[in-house]
Amino acid sequence: AQRVTQPEKLLSVFKGAPVELKCNYSYSGSPELFWYVQYSRQRLQLLLRHISRESIKGFTADLNKGETSFHLKKPFAQEEDSAMYYCALSGPSNTGKLIFGQGTTLQVKP
Amino acid sequence: DADVTQTPRNRITKTGKRIMLECSQTKGHDRMYWYRQDPGLGLRLIYYSFDVKDINKGEISDGYSVSRQAQAKFSLSLESAIPNQTALYFCATSGDLNTQYFGPGTRLTVL
Repeated sequence: AQRVTQPEKLLSVFKGAPVELKCNYSYSGSPELFWYVQYSRQRLQLLLRHISRESIKGFTADLNKGETSFHLKKPFAQEEDSAMYYCALSGPSNTGKLIFGQGTTLQVKP
Repeated sequence: DADVTQTPRNRITKTGKRIMLECSQTKGHDRMYWYRQDPGLGLRLIYYSFDVKDINKGEISDGYSVSRQAQAKFSLSLESAIPNQTALYFCATSGDLNTQYFGPGTRLTVL
């Protein structure tokens, strides 16, 4: 079964510290993975997708098929990074369906 | 991004009432989705639609129904609301690249 697991409900770091939000998945096939972010009082929006191999707002994520992981990383956290982060997997048959993890709240303290 | 809108934004209703949540989009996307968000559970798919004539159940469709009135409109109904349907409901759309664009959400409380 397809599943996305984010083991941390809350991650609290100080400004300037490195951040790693963990995401593990189970999927039989070639996955397409995403990170979505929800800032306070804003709608959910795409942060990055693995096929783009890009860095958005200083965040990067590498797909590790051996470890079935897609962790989100940033070398130096900023207060404005505080938000809820969701890892998501695109479902089978190119349906566009997304399977979301439980979400991790990132709190960046001054 | 005002391309995906939801009404109402907040709603309080009583057990047993029928309620409809509406979603409209101006992105021209064929695919539309309804999710609910619960603390600790993330977002779960309720229904999705690829076009006006194509409606599909998602992970948690029991107790819900949908209507795709036009390419731009996708409504979610709770035929007889119950308290455990209290949640934040999101509509989303997607084009060809699987990126989803979300509405602002509707906070529903069932008393």
